[in-house]
Amino acid sequence: GAGVSQSPSNKVTEKGKDVELRCDPISGHTALYWYRQRLGQGLEFLIYFQGNSAPDKSGLPSDRFSAERTGESVSTLTIQRTQQEDSAVYLCASSLAGWTETQYFGPGTRLLVL
Amino acid sequence: DQQVKQNSPSLSVQEGRISILNCDYTNSMFDYFLWYKKYPAEGPTFLISISSIKDKNEDGRFTVFLNKSAKHLSLHIVPSQPGDSAVYFCAAKAGGGNKLTFGTGTQLKVEL
Repeated sequence: GAGVSQSPSNKVTEKGKDVELRCDPISGHTALYWYRQRLGQGLEFLIYFQGNSAPDKSGLPSDRFSAERTGESVSTLTIQRTQQEDSAVYLCASSLAGWTETQYFGPGTRLLVL
Repeated sequence: DQQVKQNSPSLSVQEGRISILNCDYTNSMFDYFLWYKKYPAEGPTFLISISSIKDKNEDGRFTVFLNKSAKHLSLHIVPSQPGDSAVYFCAAKAGGGNKLTFGTGTQLKVEL
């Protein structure tokens, strides 16, 4: 089947606006992850969903960031009142189960905050 | 605090020769290590992994070596091919957790 998909592929927004990023995981994958990669840096963990368990939000950088996932389907990452330092590539990944080491990544959403 | 470090931002190798990408870590709780490969405008793809109970794992042209005492791992690609040109990320996780901690990546260029 299809891999992880993300939309939009690119997003340019003005400082202070809210943005919503979408991730469609691989069908049947119960675990879903969000990461971001700022220029010149490695991937930074943001949040992890596993089935109906409470998400691990330990990587969210501020309360402007939130994410939701309904069941084992689509997830949305919302950034409120965007700041220029939020500019990054936001990557979503999914895996078969929480214990499975292989995470399959989507192509990412490139966010630019002007 | 960068717990996974890839100190070489770039590496250039001739086709057919060996590519060696290095990774160091500081967190002694890490017990599973992975290498991901990333082409431009694509998400990272899983390449190879190694558990801390092993010191070597091989898959075709790719071999990962783990030196726990030195907190160091390396990825060897033999022979290197032009299609291997990509950014390689080292990642690690601790215990039964699922959070991956990534390094900053090494850009490999395999030249003809």
